[in-house]
Amino acid sequence: GNSVTQMEGPVTLSEEAFLTINCTYTATGYPSLFWYVQYPGEGLQLLLKATKADDKGSNKGFEATYRKETTSFHLEKGSVQVSDSAVYFCALSDRAYNTDKLIFGTGTRLQVFP
Amino acid sequence: DTEVTQTPKHLVMGMTNKKSLKCEQHMGHRAMYWYKQKAKKPPELMFVYSYEKLSINESVPSRFSPECPNSSLLNLHLHALQPEDSALYLCASSQDRGGQPQHFGDGTRLSIL
Repeated sequence: GNSVTQMEGPVTLSEEAFLTINCTYTATGYPSLFWYVQYPGEGLQLLLKATKADDKGSNKGFEATYRKETTSFHLEKGSVQVSDSAVYFCALSDRAYNTDKLIFGTGTRLQVFP
Repeated sequence: DTEVTQTPKHLVMGMTNKKSLKCEQHMGHRAMYWYKQKAKKPPELMFVYSYEKLSINESVPSRFSPECPNSSLLNLHLHALQPEDSALYLCASSQDRGGQPQHFGDGTRLSIL
């Protein structure tokens, strides 16, 4: 079945450091890929998406490229801020019964210190 | 600000109580979802409604009963819950076309005494 694997956290960085959170997937067909972010006490917010191979999703300085050859969708940011501290979930869409299901990775906690 | 509104934000109930969680969206989305999220875990899908019809039930116990009165509203009726049902319950919606992102509410934090 379809699945998503994320790197274990927490990831601890100093402000202005470079961020990479690895995500790989297993899927039949051509799913859409997403990164969601969850701040403490809140629901999930869509951070970025990519719907086909070689697409690059970007938002708020974060980027991820849909790599079919390596089945990856790694999240990157050039300079993190304290306000980026949150849990990040990689996910893919799985179309079942003509309705999209999201398959989530386990989540990666990011802690950014001043 | 989220475009999916969930009420209440917090709920404490006893194991014999009956309560309901509510979710509302006005984005014209035709698919709506209930998820359960335990601490430090990803959300787990419970139910999916597509065009107001239940399309997916992920083998959820019958003490959880979903309802979709119209295309903008989604309810989750709770009865005789167990302490292990304490969790964050998230509602989401999406356009019901392949690969569309889901938009989440801020959730209801449920505690069962």
